[in-house]
Amino acid sequence: EVRLVESGGGLVQPGGSLRLSCAASGFTFSRYSMNWVRQAPGKGLEWVSYITSSSTTIYYADSVKGRFTISRDNARNSLYLQINSLRAEDTAVYYCAKEGTLVGAPLDSWGQGTLVTVSS
Amino acid sequence: QLTQSPSSLSASVGDRVTITCRASQDISSYLAWYQQKPGRAPNLLIYATSTLQSGVPSRFRGSGSGTDFTLTISSLQPEDFATYYCQQLDSYPMYTFGQGTKLEIK
Repeated sequence: EVRLVESGGGLVQPGGSLRLSCAASGFTFSRYSMNWVRQAPGKGLEWVSYITSSSTTIYYADSVKGRFTISRDNARNSLYLQINSLRAEDTAVYYCAKEGTLVGAPLDSWGQGTLVTVSS
Repeated sequence: QLTQSPSSLSASVGDRVTITCRASQDISSYLAWYQQKPGRAPNLLIYATSTLQSGVPSRFRGSGSGTDFTLTISSLQPEDFATYYCQQLDSYPMYTFGQGTKLEIK
């Protein structure tokens, strides 16, 4: 069974930083591209970032480019998101999501999310 | 850009409901649907417009192509009351989601 467990969220002041982690199990992590998706309180889903299985290709949403850094450690079956220069609008639940092998590569497995709250 | 309608919907158990997702440009059949219950992560229901993810009941049906897509639930069950999101996969991997449709019990 695929399992994704996020951690590292919390309350941080504007301008601060956090490092989110996602521990993967139940599948061969090193073979799959991974994503971060966030959801502000009471709002919809926003894709944040993508990384290929070997970290050779990375993409970011314009809203986080230059402030967020995605990375992974295949030896540790872990995905990371370093988030810097945090703003109030970054307050959200952050989900890690596995890309499927289905047509169009939808996100076929999600973690339970970790809440990041940016407030003074 | 994806526009879902309606943004909310009230229905009763046993009803047939339809949710629409419109893309701002032709995305062929590269559309997925997710279900999200309160406090839970989204769950993939349908991909490639009409293919049910493993384990998804057959009362869910997706259709459409190009710019206009629909999710139909043929006979609502109590566990179907949730928020539904469409997602375009045409601009992979820079995914875009619709704003969501909240399905509530009447």
